[in-house]
Amino acid sequence: GQQLNQSPQSMFIQEGEDVSMNCTSSSIFNTWLWYKQDPGEGPVLLIALYKAGELTSNGRLTAQFGITRKDSFLNISASIPSDVGIYFCAGRSGANSKLTFGKGITLSVRP
Amino acid sequence: DTGVSQNPRHKITKRGQNVTFRCDPISEHNRLYWYRQTLGQGPEFLTYFQNEAQLEKSRLLSDRFSAERPKGSFSTLEIQRTEQGDSAMYLCASSYAGTTEQYFGPGTRLTVT
Repeated sequence: GQQLNQSPQSMFIQEGEDVSMNCTSSSIFNTWLWYKQDPGEGPVLLIALYKAGELTSNGRLTAQFGITRKDSFLNISASIPSDVGIYFCAGRSGANSKLTFGKGITLSVRP
Repeated sequence: DTGVSQNPRHKITKRGQNVTFRCDPISEHNRLYWYRQTLGQGPEFLTYFQNEAQLEKSRLLSDRFSAERPKGSFSTLEIQRTEQGDSAMYLCASSYAGTTEQYFGPGTRLTVT
């Protein structure tokens, strides 16, 4: 089945630093989404991308839909302690309504 | 403005018992999705409804699982004869038909002992 690859599993950064994470797939997706999940809670939608090459920002977050439609990138600038959490990429392909998720990247921010 | 709500938030049950979870979507969202998430993994799709109709079911949804959305509003997910492998977070999401953005509830954490 389709899989989305996110690595590394964990990232550790200093408060104030920028961080980039990517998500790759062996299959083409026509929509990419990025979610953040805090422990014991559901994922919260951060950014949705609809067109290859699209670059979208939401505050300190910027995400891009890769040209090949097989990858996406999320950048967080000037990190703060509340950025701590698990970041998931998700993709939608074809006419499917379901989302396929990566395994997530756990972000830790040192004050 | 209320988001997606799920009840209960936590459920502990003994193996072999039946459990039922409820999801209330964002009002006027006509699509409702169920996902399952185990530790260290992303959510995995189980099934979804458009209004009352169940349009897709994953192979993960064994015959012990059944989902309903009788009036096109809230949905229930029932697991019969629970097994330890059913222990997971069960997430519900909703959206408008034709849109991709799915908004998740807080989940129901199931522990089968």
